[in-house]
Amino acid sequence: NAGVTQTPKFQVLKTGQSMTLQCAQDMNHEYMSWYRQDPGMGLRLIHYSVGAGITDQGEVPNGYNVSRSTTEDFPLRLLSAAPSQTSVYFCASSRQGSQTEAFFGQGTRLTVV
Amino acid sequence: AQKITQTQPGMFVQEKEAVTLDCTYDTSDPSYGLFWYKQPSSGEMIFLIYQGSYDQQNATEGRYSLNFQKARKSANLVISASQLGDSAMYFCAMRSTLNSGYSTLTFGKGTMLLVSP
Repeated sequence: NAGVTQTPKFQVLKTGQSMTLQCAQDMNHEYMSWYRQDPGMGLRLIHYSVGAGITDQGEVPNGYNVSRSTTEDFPLRLLSAAPSQTSVYFCASSRQGSQTEAFFGQGTRLTVV
Repeated sequence: AQKITQTQPGMFVQEKEAVTLDCTYDTSDPSYGLFWYKQPSSGEMIFLIYQGSYDQQNATEGRYSLNFQKARKSANLVISASQLGDSAMYFCAMRSTLNSGYSTLTFGKGTMLLVSP
């Protein structure tokens, strides 16, 4: 009964390094999203996908890249990490439609030094 | 543009009392969904309750109820008989349609609820 699985749970990066946050879901959901959570800002949408091969930008996409080659996986790539990307990152998945809640992963706490 | 506003950064309530967490929203979509999530100190996001824009009755889930006033564009969360375990951050969210035609969740900034013995 895995749901949405994010790895890693914690990560420290140096400025300029790149890395990929992994996200996988086993519920056959069409929609997957990445959010970042910063103090006092709520959750802000980075990128989302409505199916394999289809992605689009959210509110704060700069510095991040995504692709979706399978229904199950939606990795988030930091191309060149900056201290402003220090945040907690959440992956979420859901079925299509306005009535469906999103299921969240456990989150990844990323620190860029 | 869709927007969720939570005006209470923090709320205090005594155990066993009821508490209302405020949420107002703005959207031009005729069809939308409103959600509340709980985030305890451990960090996970827990879905609490959902209200559809066409639902005639307010949603309820155990001790949680959603006071939906469509004309006022408000979707307040009511927690009855608060428990110590209710201490957490609470987020109001709306599923709305983007220009692309797809829908995503837009979140408010959250309200931190502290329940005291």
